[in-house]
Amino acid sequence: DGGITQSPKYLFRKEGQNVTLSCEQNLNHDAMYWYRQDPGQGLRLIYYSQIVNDFQKGDIAEGYSVSREKKESFPLTVTSAQKNPTAFYLCASSRDPNSGANVLTFGAGSRLTVL
Amino acid sequence: DQQVKQNSPSLSVQEGRISILNCDYTNSMFDYFLWYKKYPAEGPTFLISISSIKDKNEDGRFTVFLNKSAKHLSLHIVPSQPGDSAVYFCAASDDYKLSFGAGTTVTVRA
Repeated sequence: DGGITQSPKYLFRKEGQNVTLSCEQNLNHDAMYWYRQDPGQGLRLIYYSQIVNDFQKGDIAEGYSVSREKKESFPLTVTSAQKNPTAFYLCASSRDPNSGANVLTFGAGSRLTVL
Repeated sequence: DQQVKQNSPSLSVQEGRISILNCDYTNSMFDYFLWYKKYPAEGPTFLISISSIKDKNEDGRFTVFLNKSAKHLSLHIVPSQPGDSAVYFCAASDDYKLSFGAGTTVTVRA
C-alpha cells in the first residue's frame, strides 16, 4: 500500500532543542517537499527536493535543515534557530514536478509543540 | 506576500445544496490550479485541478471554474454531502512550486 509515512505524529520539544521529523515514501516519487501549516495561513513551503542529494529552500527555510540521501527519505530538522517552531508539519511528494499539474501526495502530518 | 487568497474562512451549506468556494490569485504565471481537501489531523488530499488554458473542469460532483482575466477560480460541489465537511485549500502551480491559500472550512448541515 503506497503512501507517505511521517513520524512522530505528535512531538514535544523544549526550547533550545533540535528535533528531526521523519518522512518516508514508497511511491517512487522523484520530488519531496516540506510544508508548515499555521492557523489562518494555509501551507507554506519550507524546503523541497527534486532529486537525491539536491534540495532547495522554500519560502520559510530559516531555522530548518533537510537532507535527501535516499529517494525514499526526506527528514526535516527543526533547529533552535527557528523562532516559532510550534506548528503542523506536512511532508509531500510528487512523481514529476515538471509534467502537467504538480499533484502532491501528502503524509498525515506531524504536530510539533515547543514547551 | 500571499499570492493565493481564499477570503472566506468558512462556509455552511445544507445537505443536497451547492457549495461554492472561491479563490483569487495574483501571479499570472501560474500554469495549473488545484483544490485539496483536508480533514483534521490528516494530510490534504487532491480533489481536482485545472490548466490555465482551460476555463472549466468537471469530475463527478466537483467542478472547477477559472476566470483568468479576473484571476479568480471557484470550486462547485453539488450536491453537498455530510462527508464533504472539511477544509478546502486552493493551490496554484508555478513550475514545480505550489502556493496555497489559507483554506475554507466547509460545514454541511443535515
